[in-house]
Amino acid sequence: GAVVSQHPSWVICKSGTSVKIECRSLDFQATTMFWYRQFPKQSLMLMATSNEGSKATYEQGVEKDKFLINHASLTLSTLTVTSAHPEDSSFYICSAVAELTDTQYFGPGTRLTVL
Amino acid sequence: AQSVTQPDIHITVSEGASLELRCNYSYGATPYLFWYVQSPGQGLQLLLKYFSGDTLVQGIKGFEAEFKRSQSSFNLRKPSVHWSDAAEYFCAVGETHDMRFGAGTRLTVKP
Repeated sequence: GAVVSQHPSWVICKSGTSVKIECRSLDFQATTMFWYRQFPKQSLMLMATSNEGSKATYEQGVEKDKFLINHASLTLSTLTVTSAHPEDSSFYICSAVAELTDTQYFGPGTRLTVL
Repeated sequence: AQSVTQPDIHITVSEGASLELRCNYSYGATPYLFWYVQSPGQGLQLLLKYFSGDTLVQGIKGFEAEFKRSQSSFNLRKPSVHWSDAAEYFCAVGETHDMRFGAGTRLTVKP
C-alpha cells in the first residue's frame, strides 16, 4: 500500500537551533500534505495545509514564521521548526493525499525534543 | 465548531472479548467520520469512514462503526478482539481531508 515516510523519526536539539523534518510520499504523488502536532495523551492538532508549489495555509494560532513549510515537489514537504524552544517539543505527524485516489495516508511521526 | 470527544482514555479487554470504543462529535452539518488506528512507530491507518448512506459501516480488520445522528455518536466495535488489536484508536470528524481528531483511546488486550 501507499507509504508516507518521515525523517528523522526522532531528534533532540538545543534551544535556539532550527530543525527540519521531511515528509515523503514514497509511491504516489501528493498535491496536498498536512502537518499535525500531537502532545502526549492528546489528539492530533492540524498545524497547516501544504500545497505543492504554493504557500502553506496555517491554522489559527500557528506561527508561520516559526514553523516554516515548504512543499517543493509532489513527493516532499518539509517542516522547519525555527529557533526551537522546549515548548516546541512534541510529536509531529504529516499526511499526504494521493492525487489519483484522493486517499490520505499518514506518516509515522517525528519526535522532537528541545533541551 | 467541530469537535470530537473520546470519553475513554484507556480500555482493557480480554482477548476474544467484544470491544466498543466511544466517539461523540459536534459538527454543524452532516459530518464525514473516520476511525484510525495508530500502532507504535507506525502511521495512522484508516479503519473505516462514513460519508453517507448506510449508517453501519464495515471496515478493515473486522471492525465496524455505527453512525447515530440522534446521539451524535460514531462508536467503533469489534465482536472478538485479537492481541494484535492493541493500539491507539482515534476518531476524527470533518471534511474529506481537513479533519479534527479526538484525544484517542488506548486499547490494551489481556491474554
